[in-house]
Amino acid sequence: DVKVTQSSRYLVKRTGEKVFLECVQDMDHENMFWYRQDPGLGLRLIYFSYDVKMKEKGDIPEGYSVSREKKERFSLILESASTNQTSMYLCASSPIQGFYGNEQFFGPGTRLTVL
Amino acid sequence: QQQVKQSPQSLIVQKGGISIINCAYENTAFDYFPWYQQFPGKGPALLIAIRPDVSEKKEGRFTISFNKSAKQFSLHIMDSQPGDSATYFCAASRFGSARQLTFGSGTQLTVLP
Repeated sequence: DVKVTQSSRYLVKRTGEKVFLECVQDMDHENMFWYRQDPGLGLRLIYFSYDVKMKEKGDIPEGYSVSREKKERFSLILESASTNQTSMYLCASSPIQGFYGNEQFFGPGTRLTVL
Repeated sequence: QQQVKQSPQSLIVQKGGISIINCAYENTAFDYFPWYQQFPGKGPALLIAIRPDVSEKKEGRFTISFNKSAKQFSLHIMDSQPGDSATYFCAASRFGSARQLTFGSGTQLTVLP
């Protein structure tokens, strides 16, 4: 079974703190993604990576950065956390794209609260 | 700009009934349309997907209907069961560097016993 794990299920941080969210996948997938999920807004793509050290901005990259030093690990970084970044963060991975879409496999999510 | 619009936001159906969730998209470059199912405390998981060269795809009680000219697609759940109670997301993607998905806003389905 594909497994995507996220470092924490719940996280509480204070405004201005630097926050690291870690994601690890065990299926040798090329692509990895970070989303945030908010009620009524669905899943919105923050950043994605299609190879080690490669990254691209998604729809809402402001206030976030990412790092992918190893194929299996993709980190989301909040340089200076703000209250409007309180959300559920979901990591996903997928194999290299075929001509048509590939399934994305999601982790269980990290619920981040910024006080 | 919301490129995939999903409705309704919530849906309550009696056991054995038909659940219907609708999505509309704007970008004609989209060529892959999956539906994801999410249970509380879990990440979303792929339920069923369709490509625009077919108008319908059925897997068990789940059917996607696709209307390319109207840029709409929908999920039908036949004989809905309480175990189907979950949040459903439609999505769309186009050929690109990682086949990233654009998701709809989600529908919370409750199937009453």
